[in-house]
Amino acid sequence: TQLLEQSPQFLSIQEGENLTVYCNSSSVFSSLQWYRQEPGEGPVLLVTVVTGGEVKKLKRLTFQFGDARKDSSLHITAAQPGDTGLYLCAGADYKLSFGAGTTVTVRA
Amino acid sequence: EAQVTQNPRYLITVTGKKLTVTCSQNMNHEYMSWYRQDPGLGLRQIYYSMNVEVTDKGDVPEGYKVSRKEKRNFPLILESPSPNQTSLYFCASSFGQGMGNYGYTFGSGTRLTVV
Repeated sequence: TQLLEQSPQFLSIQEGENLTVYCNSSSVFSSLQWYRQEPGEGPVLLVTVVTGGEVKKLKRLTFQFGDARKDSSLHITAAQPGDTGLYLCAGADYKLSFGAGTTVTVRA
Repeated sequence: EAQVTQNPRYLITVTGKKLTVTCSQNMNHEYMSWYRQDPGLGLRQIYYSMNVEVTDKGDVPEGYKVSRKEKRNFPLILESPSPNQTSLYFCASSFGQGMGNYGYTFGSGTRLTVV
């Protein structure tokens, strides 16, 4: 059983549309990170959120940490083909635990 | 360029033939870790190291060994590989003790096939 559940597992959208990816857990984390992984490469850190309720923006990407620090969401506005990849959330307590990921495909 | 370097990128081997996957980082990070990535299961931690000569088991350590004799290197050793160890392997490093407040830097991965 995954400690972190990500949904949806797959998401395919047209360029210009918006999308939201969710990361949920029954555990409380001291921080939560989001990574993007492209085929044939290792995950690359996008953001770390630390405070419950925290919202961080990275250009067209908006990350939110739940008030109870158990869940998080990633929202992409006006998606572009370059946003295509596997999005992974990871929660930190005494170690870093990863969800299985959401595969996002943005069609031109 | 700050990076984690893994070698080899691809490896096909036979059951029982010992192999080593190397990992080196140039960022002076204390924390290093090995993960395997399998479809539907995400990244699962194999072993980690908080500093030189300090290593500990992760979630799936069976069949693997590691060592940390120098700060920059953290090799993964498969003494007797089996087909269920066919996977995509990643080495990662971080400042501090790897609790997550600092981001992890990952290598480009090693795709291992055991036949």
